[in-house]
Amino acid sequence: EDKVVQSPLSLVVHEGDTVTLNCSYEVTNFRSLLWYKQEKKAPTFLFMLTSSGIEKKSGRLSSILDKKELFSILNITATQTGDSAVYLCAGLNAGKSTFGDGTTLTVKP
Amino acid sequence: DTAVSQTPKYLVTQMGNDKSIKCEQNLGHDTMYWYKQDSKKFLKIMFSYNNKELIINETVPNRFSPKSPDKAHLNLHINSLELGDSAVYFCASSHRNEKLFFGSGTQLSVL
Repeated sequence: EDKVVQSPLSLVVHEGDTVTLNCSYEVTNFRSLLWYKQEKKAPTFLFMLTSSGIEKKSGRLSSILDKKELFSILNITATQTGDSAVYLCAGLNAGKSTFGDGTTLTVKP
Repeated sequence: DTAVSQTPKYLVTQMGNDKSIKCEQNLGHDTMYWYKQDSKKFLKIMFSYNNKELIINETVPNRFSPKSPDKAHLNLHINSLELGDSAVYFCASSHRNEKLFFGSGTQLSVL
């Protein structure tokens, strides 16, 4: 059965800190690794990673995939209170996305 | 002009009742999904449809029956509701099974 594991499950930091969220996966016929941010309502898409070693960036967020070691990290620099959310990663194959348990990030002022 | 819309947002009902959740997407996507999110925020796929055809049917009780009248709509009907069905149900869509666009969720509470 496909499996995605995220760590840590929760994290509390102060504004300005840098955080690294981890995601390891075991997905049959793996195609891509996706990151989503979930605040109060629905998850919203952040990144899709298909190739190893190529960093994707969006503002203070960046992510990279290692297909040899089967993991990905999501970095957030200079965190702000608005970054507080649940961050979900998902392994994608031809049929579906398998989600991890999520990392709950709390950024304190 | 919401991309993926589902109704209702909240559903409070008694055990044993039957209820439906509706979902529509205006993104022109070919694949639609139902996900269940439990209280610990774990998202698990229930069903997926591609162009009205059922593609994925995970180990979901047969009290749950999806229906896709066309590729822009995917509804979920639940018979004989149980306490354990309480969760947030998300509809989602994608193009060629890539990134998911989620609806705002339906919070189902079974009393």
